[in-house]
Amino acid sequence: AQRVTQPEKLLSVFKGAPVELKCNYSYSGSPELFWYVQYSRQRLQLLLRHISRESIKGFTADLNKGETSFHLKKPFAQEEDSAMYYCALSKGSARQLTFGSGTQLTVLP
Amino acid sequence: NAGVTQTPKFRILKIGQSMTLQCTQDMNHNYMYWYRQDPGMGLRLIHYSVGEGTTAKGEVPDGYNVSRLKKQNFLLGLESAAPSQTSVYFCASSYRGQGANEQFFGPGTRLTVL
Repeated sequence: AQRVTQPEKLLSVFKGAPVELKCNYSYSGSPELFWYVQYSRQRLQLLLRHISRESIKGFTADLNKGETSFHLKKPFAQEEDSAMYYCALSKGSARQLTFGSGTQLTVLP
Repeated sequence: NAGVTQTPKFRILKIGQSMTLQCTQDMNHNYMYWYRQDPGMGLRLIHYSVGEGTTAKGEVPDGYNVSRLKKQNFLLGLESAAPSQTSVYFCASSYRGQGANEQFFGPGTRLTVL
């Protein structure tokens, strides 16, 4: 069965410091992976997806099939990056998502 | 476009009461989903639908029923509320197509069962 693990419930960094949010997955097929973000008092929204290989708001994530990881990275964190981040795996006929438990990122001034 | 809307925003139920959560999307999406969000557990899929008139069970379907009579609406029902169903419920929708498609989420419904 597919599974997504985010080992850190809480992560705090200072403004300007690098940040890495960890995500590991288990899935027998070829994974489709996402990062979703939920800012305070806003709805959950897509941050980035692995197939796009894009950088959004300075964040990047590389799929490492050997380590079954999809870590989210940003070289210089900003206070507005403070939010709950979810890693998710898409599978099935309706591309339904399996989410990790989430990491609450706090960027300190 | 309003995107995905949900009603109600908040609700308090007594044990054994029933209610229906409503979800509407105006993006002509084929796929719709209901998730519940609990602290420390992320979002878990309750039920989903690939099109009008079809529904399927997700990871945690027990105690819930759904209906998709119209393409734009996806209803989640609780027949007999239990304290374990205290949660935040999110509806989402996505386009049917090739590859990894973005899901669009509603604002959520906070349900408390006392």
